[in-house]
Amino acid sequence: DAGITQSPRHKVTETGTPVTLRCHQTENHRYMYWYRQDPGHGLRLIHYSYGVKDTDKGEVSDGYSVSRSKTEDFLLTLESATSSQTSVYFCAISELGPNTEAFFGQGTRLTVV
Amino acid sequence: SQQGEEDPQALSIQEGENATMNCSYKTSINNLQWYRQNSGRGLVHLILIRSNEREKHSGRLRVTLDTSKKSSSLLITASRAADTASYFCATDASVSPQKLVFGQGTRLTINP
Repeated sequence: DAGITQSPRHKVTETGTPVTLRCHQTENHRYMYWYRQDPGHGLRLIHYSYGVKDTDKGEVSDGYSVSRSKTEDFLLTLESATSSQTSVYFCAISELGPNTEAFFGQGTRLTVV
Repeated sequence: SQQGEEDPQALSIQEGENATMNCSYKTSINNLQWYRQNSGRGLVHLILIRSNEREKHSGRLRVTLDTSKKSSSLLITASRAADTASYFCATDASVSPQKLVFGQGTRLTINP
């Protein structure tokens, strides 16, 4: 299995609190992605990174920010969590972006109450 | 809006039959990929087909790509119970070649 770890795996938080999810890789891949998965919507891209300090928005970036200060870590922050951000969050890594296969983490189930 | 749209949303067949899933996309692409997701797990890559390829095989999987129709199909032959999963197509987009965008998926159920 590709070396990709998401933490935490499960989290319950209150509305209005900030939350940070971590994606850690040991593959030295250049590209990292954050997705959310909700019933009826498949996977939707939140943000992605194509290098250290190089990030860009995806389809559903409102209310989320990211940071990548090291190759191995990609952090997703919900600035002020809302109930609509209750979801399963997946991180993925890819050596050369969409030209190569992506490897997925096991997901983080986030519940905002 | 999402780049890829899978069809059908759900498919139920008997073990041993073939399963065909379709993916349509909106803008020009460089590559198209198919992934499988078992319940509660992360996605696993199945196959990648480039825009200059028309067909690709991997074991019991056959993928076709028709760039003129902006569509792809995934055929699983001689299905097995273990093939029960959700299947997603994913594409880049030539205007945003660094993004990897997924469709909504097809839920495949193989009945014994």
